[in-house]
Amino acid sequence: GAVVSQHPSWVICKSGTSVKIECRSLDFQATTMFWYRQFPKQSLMLMATSNEGSKATYEQGVEKDKFLINHASLTLSTLTVTSAHPEDSSFYICSASLGRQETQYFGPGTRLLVL
Amino acid sequence: AQKVTQAQTEISVVEKEDVTLDCVYETRDTTYYLFWYKQPPSGELVFLIRRNSFDEQNEISGRYSWNFQKSTSSFNFTITASQVVDSAVYFCALTPGANNLFFGTGTRLTVIP
Repeated sequence: GAVVSQHPSWVICKSGTSVKIECRSLDFQATTMFWYRQFPKQSLMLMATSNEGSKATYEQGVEKDKFLINHASLTLSTLTVTSAHPEDSSFYICSASLGRQETQYFGPGTRLLVL
Repeated sequence: AQKVTQAQTEISVVEKEDVTLDCVYETRDTTYYLFWYKQPPSGELVFLIRRNSFDEQNEISGRYSWNFQKSTSSFNFTITASQVVDSAVYFCALTPGANNLFFGTGTRLTVIP
């Protein structure tokens, strides 16, 4: 149980394009989903927290107009990187849980490369 | 302030050796949860254990064991008889009160065959 999928696993795109990443909880209903960013050999940095049906809460320094998060259902959250630039290249990981203090189960991550 | 410290950046051991990964945390909350996650080269974080602040019992799961000591704010992780498949980055993490998950900087474990 507690399987989270992410799609796509790899994205290469041109600068200026938008990229959408999907995160799905496959065998449980996730009240809360989280989006993280990880640079090589570094820890995970929380970008935002989203609850189903409400607006996402962004961490300080994360541009909400650039990183659009939608949590339309209890099993799906999407992250859209708008007008991507090379500095947005990173490893993006989502997680899902039954609530803020509950165990977070992570997806396999999406590697984004912006040329 | 919440903080998780994993002082060991990288550790290398020879296969079949035991290895302990250290984790020290800071929080003012009396209720909190501690976690360990494994991140193999593929990148996916694998949940290993969750422990709440009121449960100081040590836990063993196969070759894995965890030692939680509130007196020293530590939650150390030991792998017995290490195997090559244990090679990964291991993250200790803390959820204090009703806040988000705070990760340590991770310890990269390399098990040499």
